[in-house]
Amino acid sequence: DVKVTQSSRYLVKRTGEKVFLECVQDMDHENMFWYRQDPGLGLRLIYFSYDVKMKEKGDIPEGYSVSREKKERFSLILESASTNQTSMYLCASSLTSHNTEAFFGQGTRLTVV
Amino acid sequence: DQQVKQNSPSLSVQEGRISILNCDYTNSMFDYFLWYKKYPAEGPTFLISISSIKDKNEDGRFTVFLNKSAKHLSLHIVPSQPGDSAVYFCAELNSGNTPLVFGKGTRLSVIA
Repeated sequence: DVKVTQSSRYLVKRTGEKVFLECVQDMDHENMFWYRQDPGLGLRLIYFSYDVKMKEKGDIPEGYSVSREKKERFSLILESASTNQTSMYLCASSLTSHNTEAFFGQGTRLTVV
Repeated sequence: DQQVKQNSPSLSVQEGRISILNCDYTNSMFDYFLWYKKYPAEGPTFLISISSIKDKNEDGRFTVFLNKSAKHLSLHIVPSQPGDSAVYFCAELNSGNTPLVFGKGTRLSVIA
């Protein structure tokens, strides 16, 4: 069964902290993505990666970075957390071949205080 | 400019009736369309998809219709059930290896 696992369901961090959100997939997918979901704004793409050590900026990369050292793992890093980064963070993965759906993890609800 | 628009933020339907969720798109390069369903505190799950070469795809209670001339996509759920209450996102994918583009979502409430 397809599985994308995010390391935490809920996180509370302080302003200015460095935050790591981890995502692992067991489907040998080439593509991995980080989205955030906010009320009224839908799912917005932060960063994505098509291969190990490769990364591409999405629509809202400011304040974030990513790391993909292994094919199955894609990490999202908040360099210095701010309150406007309080959100639901969603990791997804997909095959490289065209027209295939992305599979999502369960999400991480991050609160920055 | 938003490429994928779900103009209704919410929809309320009686149990047993039909739910119709709508989505408009602007980019004619999209060639694959998907619907995702999301419950609170969970990740989105894939529901149904349609290729741009088709105008209809059906899977049980769920049917997706594509009107390319109007650049319009709709999801029909019939009969609606209380467990269908969730946020529904339409998403589009164009040729090539690009990320999904999502709409803002429509919250469906099915009332018993």
